[in-house]
Amino acid sequence: AQKVTQAQTEISVVEKEDVTLDCVYETRDTTYYLFWYKQPPSGELVFLIRRNSFDEQNEISGRYSWNFQKSTSSFNFTITASQVVDSAVYFCAIILTGSARQLTFGSGTQLTVLP
Amino acid sequence: DSGVTQTPKHLITATGQRVTLRCSPRSGDLSVYWYQQSLDQGLQFLIQYYNGEERAKGNILERFSAQQFPDLHSELNLSSLELGDSALYFCASSVGAGTNSPLHFGNGTRLTVT
Repeated sequence: AQKVTQAQTEISVVEKEDVTLDCVYETRDTTYYLFWYKQPPSGELVFLIRRNSFDEQNEISGRYSWNFQKSTSSFNFTITASQVVDSAVYFCAIILTGSARQLTFGSGTQLTVLP
Repeated sequence: DSGVTQTPKHLITATGQRVTLRCSPRSGDLSVYWYQQSLDQGLQFLIQYYNGEERAKGNILERFSAQQFPDLHSELNLSSLELGDSALYFCASSVGAGTNSPLHFGNGTRLTVT
């Protein structure tokens, strides 16, 4: 069965600092998708990114960037020049292709950005 | 706004009662998923429906059931409620049943069992 580990339970940074959220996954499958979701204090789950296991290109979207390394089974998420509005719980998740669509989530990282 | 609508936003009920949570997927999405988020278990997959048919089952208790109607909205029924059922219940939807599109989540229904 697949598993996602987010070892950082809580991270606190000061505004404008860069911060990296770690995600390590386990699966025996060779094809899968990885996701990041954001859960702000209001509670909703916001989709941020999906990455196919065959696509190891890093991606940048504004202040957000993702580093996918299959060799280390990691899919880390970096926020550059953090802002108070980035304060949220961030979840990494995995889903296997060809299977019923069970998203397996990590336990989440609570990011607090202080002004 | 994800386009997935969940009602009600909050629900407070007593142990032993039964409640129904409702979800309307994004326009065009055929798959609906239910997830439970609790402090001790985190985010857990409960069940998936695709175009009215049950597609996959996760850690869903026998006291819980769901269905997807012809208009594609879905309901999650929770019965004989226990204190431990208090959680945030999310509905998500996607276009297909496979893995080629992301899940978009609703804002959740917060259930409190007293």
